Amino acid sequence: EVQLVESGGDLVQPGGSLRLSCAASGFTFSDHYMDWVRQAPGKGLEWVGRIRRKPNSYTTEYAASVKGRFTISRDDSKTSVYLQLNNLKTEDTAVYYCARVLVQGNHYYFDSWGQGTLVTVSS
Amino acid sequence: DIQMTQSPSSLSASVGDGVTITCRASQDISNFLVWFQQKPGKAPKSLIYGASSLQSGVPSKFSGSGSGTEFTLTISSLQPEDFATYYCQQYKNFPLTFGGGTKVEIK
Repeated sequence: EVQLVESGGDLVQPGGSLRLSCAASGFTFSDHYMDWVRQAPGKGLEWVGRIRRKPNSYTTEYAASVKGRFTISRDDSKTSVYLQLNNLKTEDTAVYYCARVLVQGNHYYFDSWGQGTLVTVSS
Repeated sequence: DIQMTQSPSSLSASVGDGVTITCRASQDISNFLVWFQQKPGKAPKSLIYGASSLQSGVPSKFSGSGSGTEFTLTISSLQPEDFATYYCQQYKNFPLTFGGGTKVEIK
């Protein structure tokens, strides 16, 4: 069974930093791209970014709203993906989900999600 | 960026009803569209990918159609567990973008 478990969410002041982790199990982690998606309280879903696999040189993509402040990394030996959040703003307050990307032909979509971890940015 | 617009933003229906949700893309995304269901306090669950392919394990009461810029999700014979918020998302281009969601409530 695919399992994704996020951790690291906390209350942090504006301008602060935080590192989120997502521990994966139940599948061959190194075979998959991994993404982060967030959801502000009572709002819709917003894609944050992606990290590809080793054969794709672990390249990354980011939403414009977080580019330059957030960094996605992964450790295949620990079957984990990370999201480093720097220079946090109040508008970054959200539940952060990690999601597995499944490839079906030329379709790359999220098929499994973690339960989410809450980041609150407030003074 | 590709804008995804869902309609309606909410709807009320009775158990046993069928409902249709529409998602429009601001440009041609072919069939690179996925539908999710999200219940309060829970992570989203994928239902349909490729605009019309049923995700493994999802009941056939859910169906998707469309291509290009107009897409629909149809749910037949609503059951209590189907009352949730539904999102569409395009994966044609970065940044990946979601529709604003459609909340399906019990009448």
